Amino acid sequence: QVQLQYSGPGLVKPSETLSLTCTISGGSVNFNNYYWTWIRQPPGKGLEWIGYIYYSGSTTYSPSLKSRVTISIDTSKNQFSLRLSSVTAADTAVYYCASGSVDAFDIGGPGTMVIVSS
Amino acid sequence: QSALTQPASVSGSPGQSITISCTGTTSDVGRYKYVSWYQQHPGKAPKLLIYEVSNRPSGVSNRFSGSKSGNTASLTISGLQAEDEADYYCSSYTTTSTLAFGGGTKLTVL
Repeated sequence: QVQLQYSGPGLVKPSETLSLTCTISGGSVNFNNYYWTWIRQPPGKGLEWIGYIYYSGSTTYSPSLKSRVTISIDTSKNQFSLRLSSVTAADTAVYYCASGSVDAFDIGGPGTMVIVSS
Repeated sequence: QSALTQPASVSGSPGQSITISCTGTTSDVGRYKYVSWYQQHPGKAPKLLIYEVSNRPSGVSNRFSGSKSGNTASLTISGLQAEDEADYYCSSYTTTSTLAFGGGTKLTVL
């Protein structure tokens, strides 16, 4: 079973870029037909889909975040990453990475909390 | 504002059945079979309960079932148990190749 482990800073300053990485174990980022997804959840609020990268490398992003988001794959490290630029306090959230199909996925671990604050 | 509409809260007594609705449009729920449901306990990551409207992943209790009619999908939990108290989210694939979530429903077991 695929397991996902997060890495990245838990505190980011406003206007800077949030960067998170999800390292895959028990599987490969090149798994056929796998989607690697990022989701977030602001404190006390619901889930928000950020976007995904297909195993082939193609990406799709949330329209509301598209101008600031980049999701990428590093096959040599068996990882996929999220970059969110020009962050504000509204980007404070628990960030989750997930694996599976485009519409249904297993979310890795407890997520990682990212606070945007100076 | 979430793309999919769910009731903010539902409640039921142990042993009863409850249904949570998820209303979208012809651009998402009404168009595709790709509707999923997630369960989230406080402080935990969401867990996939239902995919493709009515399919359960291995290990999910058969007390959880899903259905869809038109633009509305539904999650039914039968034989309600105290451990079912959680937040529930629906999601749907959309015509723009993105995914939309519902706002979430808090289930209280009385």
